[in-house]
Amino acid sequence: EAGVTQFPSHSVIEKGQTVTLRCDPISGHDNLYWYRRVMGKEIKFLLHFVKESKQDESGMPNNRFLAERTGGTYSTLKVQPAELEDSGVYFCASSLNQGLGNTEAFFGQGTRLTVV
Amino acid sequence: AQSVTQLDSQVPVFEEAPVELRCNYSSSVSVYLFWYVQYPNQGLQLLLKYLSGSTLVKGINGFEAEFNKSQTSFHLRKPSVHISDTAEYFCAVTSGGGGNKLTFGTGTQLKVEL
Repeated sequence: EAGVTQFPSHSVIEKGQTVTLRCDPISGHDNLYWYRRVMGKEIKFLLHFVKESKQDESGMPNNRFLAERTGGTYSTLKVQPAELEDSGVYFCASSLNQGLGNTEAFFGQGTRLTVV
Repeated sequence: AQSVTQLDSQVPVFEEAPVELRCNYSSSVSVYLFWYVQYPNQGLQLLLKYLSGSTLVKGINGFEAEFNKSQTSFHLRKPSVHISDTAEYFCAVTSGGGGNKLTFGTGTQLKVEL
C-alpha cells in the first residue's frame, strides 16, 4: 500500500512567486494534516482537514497560505506570494480517524521549499 | 497550550553503547506522547507511543520510552545502538482533542559512530 506522497520533493523559487505543494494521503484516510519545519526549529502544525472540510487552521501563518482538499482526497498548499521566511520543510500526514486507538499519523517525506 | 522540550540538539554515541534522548513536556491537561524518527531523505516514522496503561512503552528497532507523569518526561532509550540508528528523533504530544494535532519538540540528531 502506498504511503503519504508529497510533490515536489524540493522547490526553489524567488521571493514573490507562487508555489503549490501537493499531498496524496493514504487511501481511505479522512484526516489530513500539514506541518512545517523552519530550519533548526520544531515541526509546527499548520492545519487539519477532515475529508474536504478544514477542521482546524489555527497554525496557518497568514493569508498568503491557502490549503484545499477538494473531494476529500489529495490536498494542495499554495503560497502566494512567497516570502523568504516561508522557507522550510513542509510535511503532510494522514490518519484513519480521530479515535485514540488510531492516533498514528503517517507522514510523507516532506517538500523542502527554498525562497531566494 | 502544550510544549515539548528536547534538551539535546545533538547526541553522539559509539556503536553498541546505550543512549537516552530526553524529552520533557508541559501541559495543563492529560497528554498522549509519541516519538518519531526521521532517517535521511525519508519522512517521519512512528517509533512508539504512550496512550495509557503501562508507563514503559516498547517500540520498533529496540527502542523504549518511559512516561513519568511527576517529572513530565518521556525519555527515549536504547540499550545498544547501531550505525543504522543515525537519524533525527522527535518527541511529540497531543491532548487528544482538537483533531489530534501534534506538538513537536525541536528534534535530537543522534549520530552513531564506529
